[in-house]
Amino acid sequence: AQSVTQPDIHITVSEGASLELRCNYSYGATPYLFWYVQSPGQGLQLLLKYFSGDTLVQGIKGFEAEFKRSQSSFNLRKPSVHWSDAAEYFCAVGAGAGSYQLTFGKGTKLSVIP
Amino acid sequence: GAGVSQSPRYKVTKRGQDVALRCDPISGHVSLYWYRQALGQGPEFLTYFNYEAQQDKSGLPNDRFSAERPEGSISTLTIQRTEQRDSAMYRCASSLQGYEQYFGPGTRLTVT
Repeated sequence: AQSVTQPDIHITVSEGASLELRCNYSYGATPYLFWYVQSPGQGLQLLLKYFSGDTLVQGIKGFEAEFKRSQSSFNLRKPSVHWSDAAEYFCAVGAGAGSYQLTFGKGTKLSVIP
Repeated sequence: GAGVSQSPRYKVTKRGQDVALRCDPISGHVSLYWYRQALGQGPEFLTYFNYEAQQDKSGLPNDRFSAERPEGSISTLTIQRTEQRDSAMYRCASSLQGYEQYFGPGTRLTVT
């Protein structure tokens, strides 16, 4: 069965600083990978996805992520964080094989210092 | 256009009561998914539908949980004889096809 690990429960960065949120997955075949963001009182919003092809994917709100098969990682990055980026971020992997269920990590809470 | 909507947004119920949670997907979306999210955790898959057919219910924790989508649009997740451990955020998502899922705001269920 697939699994996702987000090693950092909580990260604090200063506004304008760069950001990297880590995600490691366990899955036998080529995974389908996602990052979602959850703001307080809101639903989960899809930031970006990787299905195949170029390993560096661009998403909304200036985020990008890089798929590294050798490291089983799909880290999320942003060059300059804005206060409005404070939220909880979830990495997820798709199982394939006819079932479209997503397996999520436990999330990383991002705090931004003005 | 309108996103995924869920009702009620908050539900408090007493242990032993039945509850029904509703999900209205994005218009035209074929697939509908239910997830449960405990505090401090990521969402966990419960079940999913293509049109009205329940394709995968492997995540339903026990037979007190059931779901239906009779006309291939609105779905209801029913929990019978609720227990305190059922308290969680229940999230619904829909997709046109495949993995790109759009989530609703969730229903916060509290069982007292």
